[in-house]
Amino acid sequence: DQQVKQNSPSLSVQEGRISILNCDYTNSMFDYFLWYKKYPAEGPTFLISISSIKDKNEDGRFTVFLNKSAKHLSLHIVPSQPGDSAVYFCAASASQGGSEKLVFGKGTKLTVNP
Amino acid sequence: NAGVTQTPKFRVLKTGQSMTLLCAQDMNHEYMYWYRQDPGMGLRLIHYSVGEGTTAKGEVPDGYNVSRLKKQNFLLGLESAAPSQTSVYFCASSPLKTYTDTQYFGPGTRLTVL
Repeated sequence: DQQVKQNSPSLSVQEGRISILNCDYTNSMFDYFLWYKKYPAEGPTFLISISSIKDKNEDGRFTVFLNKSAKHLSLHIVPSQPGDSAVYFCAASASQGGSEKLVFGKGTKLTVNP
Repeated sequence: NAGVTQTPKFRVLKTGQSMTLLCAQDMNHEYMYWYRQDPGMGLRLIHYSVGEGTTAKGEVPDGYNVSRLKKQNFLLGLESAAPSQTSVYFCASSPLKTYTDTQYFGPGTRLTVL
């Protein structure tokens, strides 16, 4: 049973436009959410996170939105740049019980075309 | 400060052979993790450790063993490799002083079992 779902395996956008990556979760205990970025032949690197007490967190060109009622979060990248081309993983954790573990989605491969 | 390093970077094994993957971190992190990444499957947790001398099973522990004899090292062993263990293996570490502390990943080990 997949607790964190990224239903779009890939996404292609033009440079300068907005990229929107989506993530859904099923476990109501999740209260902290992260996005990781992964380039080929490298390990994932942390990008941005959001706590369930917020509905938005912004860091430069990257914004994560959380809709708790829908159990949905999204990562917005504005404007998109070719260097943003990577696989993006959504991850979640629960502060109560098992907070040491992250549950990852399957990832979305973003391609930003010049 | 090298962060998280993994040895080796690549390895080819024959079915039934054994090997050990080494993960080392120089950030004095308490928590360490082993993941595998397979196409279309995202990152799946194999085993993890919440401190020196402790280990615990993750989502896909079968066929693997781990040891954390020193705080900075986390070893992943395959006693009798199988083709199903062909994957990219990532090690990660985290201070996890609060549940919002993120995980830092190594560059990965690409393992092929023939």
